[in-house]
Amino acid sequence: NAGVTQTPKFQVLKTGQSMTLQCAQDMNHEYMSWYRQDPGMGLRLIHYSVGAGITDQGEVPNGYNVSRSTTEDFPLRLLSAAPSQTSVYFCASSDGTGFRSSYEQYFGPGTRLTVT
Amino acid sequence: ELKVEQNPLFLSMQEGKNYTIYCNYSTTSDRLYWYRQDPGKSLESLFVLLSNGAVKQEGRLMASLDTKARLSTLHITAAVHDLSATYFCAVWGGADGLTFGKGTHLIIQP
Repeated sequence: NAGVTQTPKFQVLKTGQSMTLQCAQDMNHEYMSWYRQDPGMGLRLIHYSVGAGITDQGEVPNGYNVSRSTTEDFPLRLLSAAPSQTSVYFCASSDGTGFRSSYEQYFGPGTRLTVT
Repeated sequence: ELKVEQNPLFLSMQEGKNYTIYCNYSTTSDRLYWYRQDPGKSLESLFVLLSNGAVKQEGRLMASLDTKARLSTLHITAAVHDLSATYFCAVWGGADGLTFGKGTHLIIQP
């Protein structure tokens, strides 16, 4: 298993540009989520999905879109990049909340994004 | 709104010493996580605590959970330099996902 993979690892954007951060997992997990990490603030939830076709907003969703067309993939789209979106982005997955869930949250390696 | 507070936020200690990191949270939850993060790296899962009184140990690290007090502790025994990292606690908020503390930056000096 590759676990949770993210691409790219690094990205520099100009203000106003758009891009998609890719996230994939090969563990057949139902629950996937995106967090951003800023210095001194821990991680904050952007969007999450409880299964294919179902997404919802987290704590800081403005400026981001997501979709979940397959169980494996959960891309995060920046519609019009702003300097305030400079951050490290982590994707995570888990096998849901059911009785047999391990409750583990598996994090990807992260994407370091700079918006100039 | 779920709030998670860690303290201390910065800790410098000597090898061989013991210390405890505290994690307080504001509303009821049935799951608490501890993660380790090295500079420039992702989060490494240390412990998942699922019930009141839960205690887990791995090497020199031991985590406990008191759901009534809404408090978790991460205890470090006889610290070694390799444990230098940033440690996060995170509380599961159901549909709100994980709410993280700000992290404890731990430096262990010889």
